[in-house]
Amino acid sequence: GAVVSQHPSRVICKSGTSVKIECRSLDFQATTMFWYRQFPKQSLMLMATSNEGSKATYEQGVEKDKFLINHASLTLSTLTVTSAHPEDSSFYICSARGDGFGDTEAFFGQGTRLTVV
Amino acid sequence: GQNIDQPTEMTATEGAIVQINCTYQTSGFNGLFWYQQHAGEAPTFLSYNVLDGLEEKGRFSSFLSRSKGYSYLLLKELQMKDSASYLCAVMDSNYQLIWGAGTKLIIKP
Repeated sequence: GAVVSQHPSRVICKSGTSVKIECRSLDFQATTMFWYRQFPKQSLMLMATSNEGSKATYEQGVEKDKFLINHASLTLSTLTVTSAHPEDSSFYICSARGDGFGDTEAFFGQGTRLTVV
Repeated sequence: GQNIDQPTEMTATEGAIVQINCTYQTSGFNGLFWYQQHAGEAPTFLSYNVLDGLEEKGRFSSFLSRSKGYSYLLLKELQMKDSASYLCAVMDSNYQLIWGAGTKLIIKP
């Protein structure tokens, strides 16, 4: 399968600061990237879908001004958590889908454990 | 609404067989996925079913019945490393993945 690299794997930040998480497709062009949030012992919650070169589509209840998503190239999408608060502490996972894999297959990054103190 | 149901937790013995069920109600259907997720890690792909029937891949098999909105993941010759959460996800008519809450599988020696 294709490789999606997510960085950093863990980050601790102070309340009020911003944190950027990167998601890169290493060996394919990711036309669509998905950002998920996962609380302990819960399933993945889709936050937003981004297509290269266009604005992200956010799911209901997700604050677009707080969770900034940029998908400026076919190999990179970023999620920036702005003015982070302790309740933003969570596991954030990206996945990417691209040409050559049909409409169905998506590959996951390793995830980022964010802790806001 | 869209809904994916799977058991919260299951326990099985090393070397045995376990079946994890998943039922779904979604707007459209473009396939059903099973993922394995170890604690603190991202999910890893196990299987994809879009047609009815059984797909076998080594110790893991996945079954789908579209008319019943039902799938199961069968794990044979269980190993301790199979202790993980197993997530069922359905791709709807918009090619969005709808996720189940996951089944935590505990393997005992």
